[in-house]
Amino acid sequence: IQMTQSPSSLSASVGDRVTITCRASQSISTYLNWYQQEPGKAPKVLIYAASTLQGGVPSRFSGSGSGTDFTLTISSLQPEDFATYYCQQSYSTPPWTFGQGTKVEIK
Amino acid sequence: QVQLQESGPGLVKPSQTLSLTCTVSGGSITSGTYYWSWIRQPAGKGLEWIGRIYDSGGTNYNPSLRSRVTISVDTSKNQFSLKLSSVTAADTAVYYCARDDVVGNWFDPWGQGTLVTVSS
Repeated sequence: IQMTQSPSSLSASVGDRVTITCRASQSISTYLNWYQQEPGKAPKVLIYAASTLQGGVPSRFSGSGSGTDFTLTISSLQPEDFATYYCQQSYSTPPWTFGQGTKVEIK
Repeated sequence: QVQLQESGPGLVKPSQTLSLTCTVSGGSITSGTYYWSWIRQPAGKGLEWIGRIYDSGGTNYNPSLRSRVTISVDTSKNQFSLKLSSVTAADTAVYYCARDDVVGNWFDPWGQGTLVTVSS
């Protein structure tokens, strides 16, 4: 299953609302997870099962979607949110696949 | 809480076998509710799932690497390991180990990652 994220990068200001989309090459129900990766660090799960916030993740992050189209939204961008975001599908059986990433940069 | 730590050589010669170990602390690798995965990331690029193992020894591999990958588990040491044979420069990457939830198959937590360079 191929995962396609858009955009590949974006520039935004602190306080902006940011939306990242992820599209699957076939229906994956809600088997979609989102990760944040800061430079030089391992990815960290933000949202699993399309819309469930991982414990300890700020509520400004939210996820939605089902089937083939998914969205990660940051309601009010904070300085610590500048990072690269990846979606990952976990539908049915492996191999699990990731999107190519979306880099969120400071405007 | 559970922590994972990768270890192994940072430099491997072409055609040789890359070997890494992931040590799990703060919890048992035999909990029964998790798989244990390897994921890699070439510099400046995205994430590629390599494969996973269950505490019973059952494995799943990425078809793109299946012919060269072996993942094993040592429950007595609370460790699991990756072997990747016949490496080339294309295998140069940061290698991560991660816990893989049985129900939803998301990865959490991750190890800090270890850079493996393939070069003579």
